[in-house]
Amino acid sequence: GAVVSQHPSWVICKSGTSVKIECRSLDFQATTMFWYRQFPKQSLMLMATSNEGSKATYEQGVEKDKFLINHASLTLSTLTVTSAHPEDSSFYICSARDQGQGTDTQYFGPGTRLTVL
Amino acid sequence: LAKTTQPISMDSYEGQEVNITCSHNNIATNDYITWYQQFPSQGPRFIIQGYKTKVTNEVASLFIPADRKSSTLSLPRVSLSDTAVYYCLVGADFGNEKLTFGTGTRLTIIP
Repeated sequence: GAVVSQHPSWVICKSGTSVKIECRSLDFQATTMFWYRQFPKQSLMLMATSNEGSKATYEQGVEKDKFLINHASLTLSTLTVTSAHPEDSSFYICSARDQGQGTDTQYFGPGTRLTVL
Repeated sequence: LAKTTQPISMDSYEGQEVNITCSHNNIATNDYITWYQQFPSQGPRFIIQGYKTKVTNEVASLFIPADRKSSTLSLPRVSLSDTAVYYCLVGADFGNEKLTFGTGTRLTIIP
C-alpha cells in the first residue's frame, strides 16, 4: 500500500517556540493532504485540508495564523505550530490522498507527538 | 459523511473470531464503508472497504447487509497484536472528503 511518512516522530520544545512537522507521500503524489490532531484517549480531529499550490482550508476553531500549512510540492506538506504553548501538546497526524491505480483513498502517516514545556 | 455508531469497547480472547458492528442508518446511495485500525501513538491504518454484501482481504472480512444500514468487521483468529482502536467511516469520496472519526471501538485481546 501507499506509504506516508512524518518527521519528526516526536518533538519537545519550549513554550513560545515554533515547531515544523513534515508529511511526505513516499511512493505516490498527493494533491491533497489533511492534518489531524488527537488528544489522549480521544478520536482524531481534522484541523485543515492542504492542497498543493494553494492555501489550506482550516476547520472551524483552528487558528490559521497559529497552525501554518504549506503544500509546496506533490509529495510534501508541512505544518508549523507557531508560538507553541503547553495546550498545543498533542499527537499530530497527516494523511495523503492517493488516486493511483484505480484507488482513491487516504493513507495516514505515523504521527508526530508534540510536547510543549 | 454519514454518522456512525460503534460499541465503545470490546474484549476477546486470543484465537477467537471478533465481530465489530457499525450502524450507519443514514448511509447514502453513493457511500462506501471503510474501516481503519489505530494502534497507540500511530496513525490509522486502512483495513478494508466495501459497498455491499461481503468483502474479504488478507486481514479481515466486511459484511454488509442488503439495506446497508450497518456493517460488520470480522477479524479471524485474533492475536494480542490486534489490540487497537477500530474506526468505521462512511462516505462517497474517501480520497477527497474530510474524514470524521467517531469514537471508534477499543478492542482488547486477552491472552
